[in-house]
Amino acid sequence: EIVLTQSPGTLSLSPGERATLSCRASQSVRSSFLAWYQQNSGQAPRLLIYGAFSRATGIPDRFSGSGSGTDFTLTISSLEPEDFVVYYCQQYGSSPWTFGQGTKVEIK
Amino acid sequence: DVQVLESGGGLVQPGGSLRLSCAASGFTFSNYAMNWVRQAPGKGLEWISVISDTDGYTHYADSVKGRFTISRDNSKNTLYLQMNSLRGEDSAIYYCAKGPSWNYVFGYFDYWGQGTLVTVSS
Repeated sequence: EIVLTQSPGTLSLSPGERATLSCRASQSVRSSFLAWYQQNSGQAPRLLIYGAFSRATGIPDRFSGSGSGTDFTLTISSLEPEDFVVYYCQQYGSSPWTFGQGTKVEIK
Repeated sequence: DVQVLESGGGLVQPGGSLRLSCAASGFTFSNYAMNWVRQAPGKGLEWISVISDTDGYTHYADSVKGRFTISRDNSKNTLYLQMNSLRGEDSAIYYCAKGPSWNYVFGYFDYWGQGTLVTVSS
């Protein structure tokens, strides 16, 4: 099973700042099959990125994904107030599909 | 609009059974793989099962294999999860999640329901 480790656990930033979230895999993720989700408290997750860098339908271009192999990054270029929530990475290159433990982006 | 709506959650005793349902609308249900993903209170996400679009292929996480059964009725646009031999660690919000294509290999989730809460406790 591929273990995904997200860092940092909590990221304290101000609106307008750039956020960089990391997701490291315990082994290489096949074909960069890596997705990112956003989850607001009490709500269902929302798909942001799939295939490591492809934005899902309706996702603003301030969200971007990069990386390959074992190291992946989600970047939010300029934080909006609604971006201060929890983010999860997920790999689907190897069964069982697994999620990271999440990074919380909070207002500084 | 794509919508998936879970139902069937509730309180059940350890060792008991429960069947969850997920009603889908806004897309051609029979053309897509479907999944169940759960989230224990205050915890992260755990994928637990997938079913292919029409050929009945299913796959499970080890944590539920042999106890849970995923199925679908394409004529009713409905996904199911039969949960048997329930344990305390199965307590979670259970989400129905749509796959992006008929091919279950693409195991990410482009639409999610709001979830249904399952509590296993005596």
